[in-house]
Amino acid sequence: SQTIHQWPATLVQPVGSPLSLECTVEGTSNPNLYWYRQAAGRGLQLLFYSVGIGQISSEVPQNLSASRPQDRQFILSSKKLLLSDSGFYLCAWRGGGNQPQHFGDGTRLSIL
Amino acid sequence: GQQVMQIPQYQHVQEGEDFTTYCNSSTTLSNIQWYKQRPGGHPVFLIQLVKSGEVKKQKRLTFQFGEAKKNSSLHITATQTTDVGTYFCAGQETSGSRLTFGEGTQLTVNP
Repeated sequence: SQTIHQWPATLVQPVGSPLSLECTVEGTSNPNLYWYRQAAGRGLQLLFYSVGIGQISSEVPQNLSASRPQDRQFILSSKKLLLSDSGFYLCAWRGGGNQPQHFGDGTRLSIL
Repeated sequence: GQQVMQIPQYQHVQEGEDFTTYCNSSTTLSNIQWYKQRPGGHPVFLIQLVKSGEVKKQKRLTFQFGEAKKNSSLHITATQTTDVGTYFCAGQETSGSRLTFGEGTQLTVNP
């Protein structure tokens, strides 16, 4: 069966520090991969999605970037975090066609 | 681009009351999916509707897809405290295209 791993679960970082969040998927090949951010009590903001290795589409211009170095690995990065980067970051994967989307457990990021 | 609007944003009910959330897309959809996110958790897939006018039930939950395939609803009968969470709809314009999520409806149930 397919599983998605996302870590860490919580992270506290100072303003201006770098960020690297990793997400891996097991049990499937060539998944569509997504990064979302969710502010407290709000909806899901799509940040990046990828349909294949090295293919990244950005939805919102910001100081974040994403990379997909391997088929089932998706990384969210920042060189310098801002206070506004705080939130709940969710990684998700989906197969082709009408398949549902499966989310990781998320990372709660607090910027101090 | 495609927009998916969901109302209400918040709903507070007494346990035992019914609850409905509505979803409207700016474009015709290939399918619509519903997800539930418990407080502190991640969204979990509930169901997918594909056919025009389709109605599906999961115990106390009833899902409908409009005839024009542009709107959908989720109705919960006799809410329980376990129903607490945020319910998201997500629409897909064509098979294989990415999902567009609504803003979600946050449901609280008072015991």
